[in-house]
Amino acid sequence: AQSVTQPDIHITVSEGASLELRCNYSYGATPYLFWYVQSPGQGLQLLLKYFSGDTLVQGIKGFEAEFKRSQSSFNLRKPSVHWSDAAEYFCAVGPMDYGGSQGNLIFGKGTKLSVKP
Amino acid sequence: DTGVSQNPRHKITKRGQNVTFRCDPISEHNRLYWYRQTLGQGPEFLTYFQNEAQLEKSRLLSDRFSAERPKGSFSTLEIQRTEQGDSAMYLCASSKRQGRIETQYFGPGTRLLVL
Repeated sequence: AQSVTQPDIHITVSEGASLELRCNYSYGATPYLFWYVQSPGQGLQLLLKYFSGDTLVQGIKGFEAEFKRSQSSFNLRKPSVHWSDAAEYFCAVGPMDYGGSQGNLIFGKGTKLSVKP
Repeated sequence: DTGVSQNPRHKITKRGQNVTFRCDPISEHNRLYWYRQTLGQGPEFLTYFQNEAQLEKSRLLSDRFSAERPKGSFSTLEIQRTEQGDSAMYLCASSKRQGRIETQYFGPGTRLLVL
């Protein structure tokens, strides 16, 4: 079955420290991979996405993620966290071939990020 | 793009009442998705449309739920005879497929509380 695992429910980092949020997926083939961020009471904003090519992808707000096929992982990183990064982060996978199949995303349960001053 | 909009943003209702939510997608996006998000969980797929055709429904979508997308523009999600378990954030997303690539953009959501 297709699934996404975000092992860390809650992470606290100090402002200015580096950040890595983990994401592992289970999928029959190489999926499309996404990271979204959600502020309290808000919808989801796309941070970055991976479809193919370079396995290190850059996103908005200084975030990057690396696709590692051998580890079925797509971890999100940021070298220096800002207080405004406090939010909930969701990893998601989508099907690679939409020929007749549904295109819905499968999400992990999310990682809540808190930032200490 | 003006983004995906959803109305209302919040809805409080009593158990047994019917509620309807509206989603306006990004213009020219031909796909529209509905997801439900409960506390502490990621969004879960409910249903999606390609233009005006509803192509897939999740098993989460009981017969009390119905969705429409007339003329392939805005969409409505109706819940009949609401139950307390329906309390959740209902998210809408739209996308435009370009070849094999599709990116979904989400609206701000409608938070439903059933008393």
